[in-house]
Formats: sequence, C-alpha cells, structure tokens
Amino acid sequence: GAVVSQHPSRVICKSGTSVKIECRSLDFQATTMFWYRQFPKQSLMLMATSNEGSKATYEQGVEKDKFLINHASLTLSTLTVTSAHPEDSSFYICSATWTSNEQFFGPGTRLTVL
Amino acid sequence: GQSLEQPSEVTAVEGAIVQINCTYQTSGFYGLSWYQQHDGGAPTFLSYNALDGLEETGRFSSFLSRSDSYGYLLLQELQMKDSASYFCAVRDGDKLIFGTGTRLQVFP
Repeated sequence: GAVVSQHPSRVICKSGTSVKIECRSLDFQATTMFWYRQFPKQSLMLMATSNEGSKATYEQGVEKDKFLINHASLTLSTLTVTSAHPEDSSFYICSATWTSNEQFFGPGTRLTVL
Repeated sequence: GQSLEQPSEVTAVEGAIVQINCTYQTSGFYGLSWYQQHDGGAPTFLSYNALDGLEETGRFSSFLSRSDSYGYLLLQELQMKDSASYFCAVRDGDKLIFGTGTRLQVFP
C-alpha cells in the first residue's frame, strides 16, 4: 500500500515556541492531505484539509492562525503549531490521498508542550 | 450536528467472535469505513462499505444498512494481536468523520 511518513515522531517543546510537523507521501503524489488531532483515549478529530497549491480548509473551531498548514508540493504538507501551550499537547496524524476512495495515514507525531 | 456512536469497550477471549456496532448521523454519506489503531500507532484501513450488505475480508467482515444509519465490524477467530481500538468512519466527500472508537481487549 501507499506509504506516508511524518517527522518528527516525537517532539517536546517549551510553552510559547512553535513546532513544525512534516507529512510526506513517499511513493505517490497526494492531491489532498488531511491533518487530525487525537487526545488520549479519544477519537481522531479532523483539523483541516489541504490541497496542493491552495489554502487549507479548516474545520469549525480550529484556529487557522495557530495551526498553520502549508502544502507546497504533491508530496509534502507541513503543520506548524504556533505559540504552543500545554493544552496543544496531543497526537497529530496526517493522511494523504490521490483519490476520494482511501486515505493513507502517517505514523503520527506526539507533541508534548511543557 | 454529526455523530458516530460506538461502544466504548468490548472484551472477548481468543478464538471468539465479536461485533462492534456503529450508528451514525451525518450531513453527507458516501460510505462507512473501519480502521484499527494500536496504542501509539497510526490507523490502518480494514474495510469499506458503500452499499448495503456484508463485505468479507479474511477474519474481518463489515456490514452496512443505510436505511438504519447503522453498521458493524465482525471479527472472527480472535487473536491476542487484535487487541486495539477500532473506529468506524463516515466518508463525506473526501473527508473522513471518525466515530467515538471501541477499545477491544482479547484475553487468553
């Protein structure tokens, strides 16, 4: 199946700093990438949908100025958590697709904000 | 609003059969998917139903009834490695809306 990578897998940062998470499709060109957030023992919540070369579409309640998404190429999307705070600590997962039929998920990035 | 409800936890013994239900209420519907997620890992795709009926893939089967807004995942011949969280997810266009998740624990 298609492979999606994320980097870093874990990150610990101080409150107030910004963190960038990369999502790459390794063996296919992704027309659309998605970013999810998952708190412990909870479900995956869609944060935003990202199409290459255009602005991301954010879900209701997700601050676009706090969670900056850039989809510069068909194989790379980045999520930047700006001015991170402890409540932003979570598991961030991306997925990628080139059709509407199936999303391929990355391994996730665990963010801990101290 | 949009909601997908699942039982929070299910327990079973090795070799048994277990059914995980999902009832949904969403603005759009293109089909129902099922994903498995081990602790700390990524969701992995298990099954997809666009039409009513049963889809079988090895030990796993999935059922959909669109008129009842209901589906289930059936896991047969349970193995210890099946202990994980299972999520139903509705496809709404190119989006996935995930259910509340069911934690399955398999005991020897």
